[in-house]
Amino acid sequence: GENVEQHPSTLSVQEGDSAVIKCTYSDSASNYFPWYKQELGKRPQLIIDIRSNVGEKKDQRIAVTLNKTAKHFSLHITETQPEDSAVYFCAASKSPGTASKLTFGTGTRLQVML
Amino acid sequence: DAGVIQSPRHEVTEMGQEVTLRCKPISGHNSLFWYRQTMMRGLELLIYFNNNVPIDDSGMPEDRFSAKMPNASFSTLKIQPSEPRDSAVYFCASRLYPGHQDYGYTFGSGTRLTVV
Repeated sequence: GENVEQHPSTLSVQEGDSAVIKCTYSDSASNYFPWYKQELGKRPQLIIDIRSNVGEKKDQRIAVTLNKTAKHFSLHITETQPEDSAVYFCAASKSPGTASKLTFGTGTRLQVML
Repeated sequence: DAGVIQSPRHEVTEMGQEVTLRCKPISGHNSLFWYRQTMMRGLELLIYFNNNVPIDDSGMPEDRFSAKMPNASFSTLKIQPSEPRDSAVYFCASRLYPGHQDYGYTFGSGTRLTVV
């Protein structure tokens, strides 16, 4: 089955700096890659996703890049703010299809320091 | 839309007792997923349903765990008998499958289970 590895497990940045979180996946058939943000005690929430037919997608201060050849994708957060502090999860799936379940990475705890 | 609704939000039970967690997916969503989250193991998929039919239950830890989806608007996850190692946050999520451009899951608020 699919295996998703995520690095780093923790990340501390100064407010205003950029943060980058990286993930690799094992199944070359995976074609959908979402990112979730989970604040303390809250549910994971989808913040951005990318499909295999594009290499990059942006939404204001966040962007995701995908390298299908290398089987890795990354989340980039620019101009970080204290409210960006949370745990971020990457995930991968083959979609659509009967096996369309998300496999999650182990999470990155991002702390934005004032 | 009220989103994915889970109940109870918190459950404290004694070892050996039966525990039932409940989930109401978003209206119109036809895939439902049960995940367990712990510090040690992260987010683990337990089981998921498409159109009320269980598709993959390979993540269910053992026979003490069972899940049902009797109709499109309700699912339960049951643990009997419960053990302290079952303590975790259990999330339910739903999505519309297949053919919709948005493949993202919507998670419920979770049930924090503590087995003492």
